[in-house]
Amino acid sequence: EVQLVESGGGLVQPGGSLTLSCVGSGFTFSNFWMSWVRQAPGRELEWVANMKEDGSQAYYADSVKGRFTITRDNAKNSFYLHMSSLRGDDTAVYFCAPDGDGFPNWGQGTVVTVSS
Amino acid sequence: IVMTQSPATLSVSPGERATLSCRASQSVTNKLAWYQQKPGQAPRLLIHSASTRATGIPARFSGSGSGTEFTLTISSLQSEDFAVYYCQQYYNWKTFGQGTKVEVK
Repeated sequence: EVQLVESGGGLVQPGGSLTLSCVGSGFTFSNFWMSWVRQAPGRELEWVANMKEDGSQAYYADSVKGRFTITRDNAKNSFYLHMSSLRGDDTAVYFCAPDGDGFPNWGQGTVVTVSS
Repeated sequence: IVMTQSPATLSVSPGERATLSCRASQSVTNKLAWYQQKPGQAPRLLIHSASTRATGIPARFSGSGSGTEFTLTISSLQSEDFAVYYCQQYYNWKTFGQGTKVEVK
């Protein structure tokens, strides 16, 4: 069974930084591109960023480019979202998901709240 | 690519048919997925490649379309189907529609 567990969310002040983690199991993690997707309260889903299987390529949504960085550690089946210069509109539930035809599997998400 | 869903809210009685629409601002060929999301839960993939049901998805869910116009049909709504539905293109990056809420009439 595919499982994805996100962690690291919390309350952070505007302009602050936070790193989210995602650990995958039940599939060959190193064979999949991985994505972060977020959902602000009461809003639609928004793709944030994704990374190639070997970590050699990464792509970002315009809304986070230059502020967020993604990395992965295939030896630990882990995927990370390093967030800096956080703003109120970054408040959201952040999900990780392996890429495929759509996103067949999702974690439960971790909540990030940006507020003073 | 901008994805536009209609209607924003669809009021349907249990047992009735529901038809949801999704339009892409440019062609996404068949790289289109549909998701169901209930409050407090992660999205659940229903349909990928415009018309292929994901694993374990009941046959009452069907998808159609290609290019820029897509439809999700729920043939006979069950109580557990009342939720928000999103379309998503994965032809060029990945973008989601704003969602259609299916509510009890």
